[in-house]
Amino acid sequence: NAGVTQTPKFQVLKTGQSMTLQCAQDMNHEYMSWYRQDPGMGLRLIHYSVGAGITDQGEVPNGYNVSRSTTEDFPLRLLSAAPSQTSVYFCASSSTGIDTGELFFGEGSRLTVL
Amino acid sequence: AQRVTQPEKLLSVFKGAPVELKCNYSYSGSPELFWYVQYSRQRLQLLLRHISRESIKGFTADLNKGETSFHLKKPFAQEEDSAMYYCALRWGEGLTFGEGTQLTVNP
Repeated sequence: NAGVTQTPKFQVLKTGQSMTLQCAQDMNHEYMSWYRQDPGMGLRLIHYSVGAGITDQGEVPNGYNVSRSTTEDFPLRLLSAAPSQTSVYFCASSSTGIDTGELFFGEGSRLTVL
Repeated sequence: AQRVTQPEKLLSVFKGAPVELKCNYSYSGSPELFWYVQYSRQRLQLLLRHISRESIKGFTADLNKGETSFHLKKPFAQEEDSAMYYCALRWGEGLTFGEGTQLTVNP
């Protein structure tokens, strides 16, 4: 099992460009989520999904869109990148939702917006 | 709003010494707290959760609602404990993480 796979691992964008961070999991987890981690700060929840066709906002959703058309995939879209979105992004999934608190994380995607 | 604070960014101890990583939280509801760990070149993973009252790899953590703390402790640190440790609080359908503490256990 690959677990949670994120692509790309690194990306540089110019202000105003759009892009999609991909996240796929092969564990048949219903719950998936996206976090961002800024330097010196903890991870903050952007969006999450409790199953295919269901998404909801986290703590810092502005500037991001998500969709969940399949159980396996949960892409994160930046509509018009801004320097404030420079961060490391983590995708995480769980078989039990957030109830047990056990999230399985991807390796992270480092995004720089110039 | 919920908040998790880890006051020490860096913590260095010698092998065999006790270690305590501090975590404080603020939350209006009933707290559910967790410790996550990230070893070098590995992914972030769950270490333990307060509700299980378990000891994992010799680590324990007690929820103190009066002091709003969830400190992680180990009586005798090992070199393999060197890692980044994050305290996390459940809110709704997500977790809020602290800033993390880099623990180094010296030989």
